[in-house]
Amino acid sequence: DAGVIQSPRHEVTEMGQEVTLRCKPISGHDYLFWYRQTMMRGLELLIYFNNNVPIDDSGMPEDRFSAKMPNASFSTLKIQPSEPRDSAVYFCASSLGEEQYFGPGTRLTVT
Amino acid sequence: GENVEQHPSTLSVQEGDSAVIKCTYSDSASNYFPWYKQELGKGPQLIIDIRSNVGEKKDQRIAVTLNKTAKHFSLHITETQPEDSAVYFCAARIPGGSQGNLIFGKGTKLSVKP
Repeated sequence: DAGVIQSPRHEVTEMGQEVTLRCKPISGHDYLFWYRQTMMRGLELLIYFNNNVPIDDSGMPEDRFSAKMPNASFSTLKIQPSEPRDSAVYFCASSLGEEQYFGPGTRLTVT
Repeated sequence: GENVEQHPSTLSVQEGDSAVIKCTYSDSASNYFPWYKQELGKGPQLIIDIRSNVGEKKDQRIAVTLNKTAKHFSLHITETQPEDSAVYFCAARIPGGSQGNLIFGKGTKLSVKP
């Protein structure tokens, strides 16, 4: 299996622009998670899905953030409008049981 | 809610020595404790995990111990090698049937000197 796939790997954008991060989970996994990693706050869970349905989005920082999972093999995390404080590494992870498997991450820089 | 404290934040050892990283958790009902290794520029990789019905688990040079009474768990790496250098994260799962509630420690940067 190719593992969790994320794109793009790096994204540089200007404040106010829309940013879309993409994730393809491991085939057969029924849970998908979006995390954000910063030096100050560590790894934070933003939202997770079970069978394509959002279960808990309490970690989403504000309304500028939204996530969708239209099918079992694809999810997006969108930030609109982006702000410099959104700069971080965003990880997608998937699981079938308790073990979560992370993708390589998207490093987002908002200038 | 659950809180996970991880110590030390940095650890430097000589190749061949052992390394120990410790974590404490606050919710006594937590029942799943994974450890992740994150190399530079990569995502966290699950290296070992332990469940609350087990006190110790070993996989080659790495082992994890769990003390439910004291609410702490530790990662032990023996015969360290330079490729063990990375940031290690512990986590605890909040019970209640939700797969998503993994709370992570702040990480330990391990440096193994050749």
